[in-house]
Amino acid sequence: QKEVEQNSGPLSVPEGAIASLNCTYSDRGSQSFFWYRQYSGKSPELIMSIYSNGDKEDGRFTAQLNKASQYVSLLIRDSQPSDSATYLCAVNFNSGNTPLVFGKGTRLSVIA
Amino acid sequence: DTGVSQNPRHKITKRGQNVTFRCDPISEHNRLYWYRQTLGQGPEFLTYFQNEAQLEKSRLLSDRFSAERPKGSFSTLEIQRTEQGDSAMYLCASSLAQNEQYFGPGTRLTVT
Repeated sequence: QKEVEQNSGPLSVPEGAIASLNCTYSDRGSQSFFWYRQYSGKSPELIMSIYSNGDKEDGRFTAQLNKASQYVSLLIRDSQPSDSATYLCAVNFNSGNTPLVFGKGTRLSVIA
Repeated sequence: DTGVSQNPRHKITKRGQNVTFRCDPISEHNRLYWYRQTLGQGPEFLTYFQNEAQLEKSRLLSDRFSAERPKGSFSTLEIQRTEQGDSAMYLCASSLAQNEQYFGPGTRLTVT
């Protein structure tokens, strides 16, 4: 059974702080990892993808991947109230673009 | 690049009726995916196409669900004899080969 686990939250952080979101997955052979942001009532929006161990930075977002420990994380620097949303971790468990397996998401609340 | 579009955005139907949803992918994308999302859960994969070929359909929830992509462009998802448990957000995503998946706005189905 391919599984992706996330803490459901809510995770509350003050405005300007760093928000840290974590995700673990069940298959050591997994290849591709994605973070989606989903506002209430809206569809998921891709914000980061990561394929290799280490860090990948894009603006205020940093994705971190550790395949040996089977976890992937997302850091949001200088958090803003507009970052308040549910963050979904998604994993492609096979090589190639097969369907994604999603976690249940972590709800983030940034307090002004 | 106009993004993934889905129609209708909302559908209310009575139990036992058939419904059909349409998805238009990003124009150059050859892969198209259908997911279902219920409250508090991450998207759940249903089926996907590469061009007009349906490569995975074992995850369709029952034989009441079917999908087509007749000319490798738009796709339709049909649910026959709807049940109240079918109420959910139905999401379509598209991708180019092995790249990231981008979601449309979704179709919210309510079965009364």
